[in-house]
Amino acid sequence: GAGVSQTPSNKVTEKGKYVELRCDPISGHTALYWYRQSLGQGPEFLIYFQGTGAADDSGLPNDRFFAVRPEGSVSTLKIQRTERGDSAVYLCASSLFGGANTGELFFGEGSRLTVL
Amino acid sequence: AQSVTQPDIHITVSEGASLELRCNYSYGATPYLFWYVQSPGQGLQLLLKYFSGDTLVQGIKGFEAEFKRSQSSFNLRKPSVHWSDAAEYFCAARGGGGADGLTFGKGTHLIIQP
Repeated sequence: GAGVSQTPSNKVTEKGKYVELRCDPISGHTALYWYRQSLGQGPEFLIYFQGTGAADDSGLPNDRFFAVRPEGSVSTLKIQRTERGDSAVYLCASSLFGGANTGELFFGEGSRLTVL
Repeated sequence: AQSVTQPDIHITVSEGASLELRCNYSYGATPYLFWYVQSPGQGLQLLLKYFSGDTLVQGIKGFEAEFKRSQSSFNLRKPSVHWSDAAEYFCAARGGGGADGLTFGKGTHLIIQP
């Protein structure tokens, strides 16, 4: 597709369940970012991939959160043992390059996660 | 710690009036600076960015921003707003070099009065 695609757009789950959120970046973009946006807040950085590897995962809040990008394109954010505090919109962004040459980040519309 | 502050949570402006949204940053060195807009049901869209050079930056949709090192500010301006400008606006910063992600402010909600 032309832009960053995220699925599902909405996910409702119960406390303690496992959740996967998918991001399909713009074709050819090597850098991929995950952010979390809570209600009334700006997006918070979670993790950055350059190619297949996680170059910076300093924003992941704890070890229940994990993300992969096995082929350097699609990425999956995985949340184990979900808690109500995990409820937020999870945003994915991609850019042509990463690191010091980062250009414009293109954001998806986000996946809204609600944990009951 | 690196931070971005947007002092105004809400701003109400009449259609056709001028607009200024404030942004201050706290970084060890001058970061890369960005303004994004987020409309309901849409992803974040980049309005403009500042890396270096001319401190007055032109963006899309008639927006501009001015980088002022002495004030650690990067305020967004528009001479005449349109009803379609109603949205959430985010200022963001990124440290020069490296793989660290953007740090966003909490956003300013812009309301346009007819």
